[in-house]
Amino acid sequence: DVKVTQSSRYLVKRTGEKVFLECVQDMDHENMFWYRQDPGLGLRLIYFSYDVKMKEKGDIPEGYSVSREKKERFSLILESASTNQTSMYLCASSFWAGANEQFFGPGTRLTVL
Amino acid sequence: AQSVAQPEDQVNVAEGNPLTVKCTYSVSGNPYLFWYVQYPNRGLQFLLKYITGDNLVKGSYGFEAEFNKSQTSFHLKKPSALVSDSALYFCAVRDMGRDDKIIFGKGTRLHILP
Repeated sequence: DVKVTQSSRYLVKRTGEKVFLECVQDMDHENMFWYRQDPGLGLRLIYFSYDVKMKEKGDIPEGYSVSREKKERFSLILESASTNQTSMYLCASSFWAGANEQFFGPGTRLTVL
Repeated sequence: AQSVAQPEDQVNVAEGNPLTVKCTYSVSGNPYLFWYVQYPNRGLQFLLKYITGDNLVKGSYGFEAEFNKSQTSFHLKKPSALVSDSALYFCAVRDMGRDDKIIFGKGTRLHILP
């Protein structure tokens, strides 16, 4: 089975802190994605990556950056956390081509105080 | 632009009754459609997908979905609901405009009443 793991289930940070969210997948997937999930808004794509050192902006990239130094690892960085970034963050991965389903990690619930 | 809509925020069904969770889509060309489920405090799990072929797609946990091109719908169904089916369900469509992105609906919360 595909396994996508995220470094933390719950995080509490203060406004202005730099926050790192880590995601690792073990199925050699080319694609990796970061979403945030908010009630009533569904899932919104922050950033995605098709290959090592490659990144593309999603629908809401402002205030975030990403890093993909290895194929299995995709990091989401909040340069200076703000209270409006309090949310559930979901990482996903998939094979590159075709209508391939995405496999999701368990999520990180981030609270910014 | 591609989009997907889930017209119901919440659906309540009695245990043992059939359930339907609705989804409509808007795409240019042939759609690739997905259903995912999210149990409390968990990530999303893939249920099923439609790419081509038979309009009735069978998936995990006894769920199935019916693709209807004329009504641009992809409703999720199950003949007999279980309390354990209570969860948040997301319909999604592949973004055909670029890349391998998936566009998700806002989700429908399904409550199965014992």
